[in-house]
Amino acid sequence: AQSVTQLDSQVPVFEEAPVELRCNYSSSVSVYLFWYVQYPNQGLQLLLKYLSGSTLVKGINGFEAEFNKSQTSFHLRKPSVHISDTAEYFCAAGGRPQGAQKLVFGQGTRLTINP
Amino acid sequence: DVKVTQSSRYLVKRTGEKVFLECVQDMDHENMFWYRQDPGLGLRLIYFSYDVKMKEKGDIPEGYSVSREKKERFSLILESASTNQTSMYLCASSSPGLAVYEQYFGPGTRLTVT
Repeated sequence: AQSVTQLDSQVPVFEEAPVELRCNYSSSVSVYLFWYVQYPNQGLQLLLKYLSGSTLVKGINGFEAEFNKSQTSFHLRKPSVHISDTAEYFCAAGGRPQGAQKLVFGQGTRLTINP
Repeated sequence: DVKVTQSSRYLVKRTGEKVFLECVQDMDHENMFWYRQDPGLGLRLIYFSYDVKMKEKGDIPEGYSVSREKKERFSLILESASTNQTSMYLCASSSPGLAVYEQYFGPGTRLTVT
């Protein structure tokens, strides 16, 4: 079965510093990849998605992610973070063999921005 | 914009009570999902519905059931609540097609069972 691993449970960074949140997935077949963000006391909101095409995907709020098939990774990056980026971030994967319409989520990474 | 609403943000119930969590979406989506979110475990799928009256078990269905009588509404039922069901519950919806995997989430219901 498909699995998604987020390599860091917590990432503290200083404001205006760059950040990378790491995500690896397990699959040798077609896969669709997503990053969602959850702000405190809210549901999940889509940041960006990779379905096909260019391996560099740009999302909202200045985030981007790169699909790397050889390393089965989909790391999320932002060149300069703000206090408002403090949230929990989830990587998710869909596609065969998981099933036509379901997503598998990683464990989440809590991003804390320090002033 | 797609809107997914959940009936309660916070809920406190006693052990053994029957609990209903309601979810409504306003975008005519065929697919609806119930997840449970626990620290360090991410989101785990409880049940999934791909059409009215159609449902499929997810990864952790034990102790839960669901009901989907109308397309816009998907209910999660805890037949006899237990303390280990204390958690955040998230509802989501999606529609078939290329965007089928993109799910839209409600704000969540934080359930405490005492």
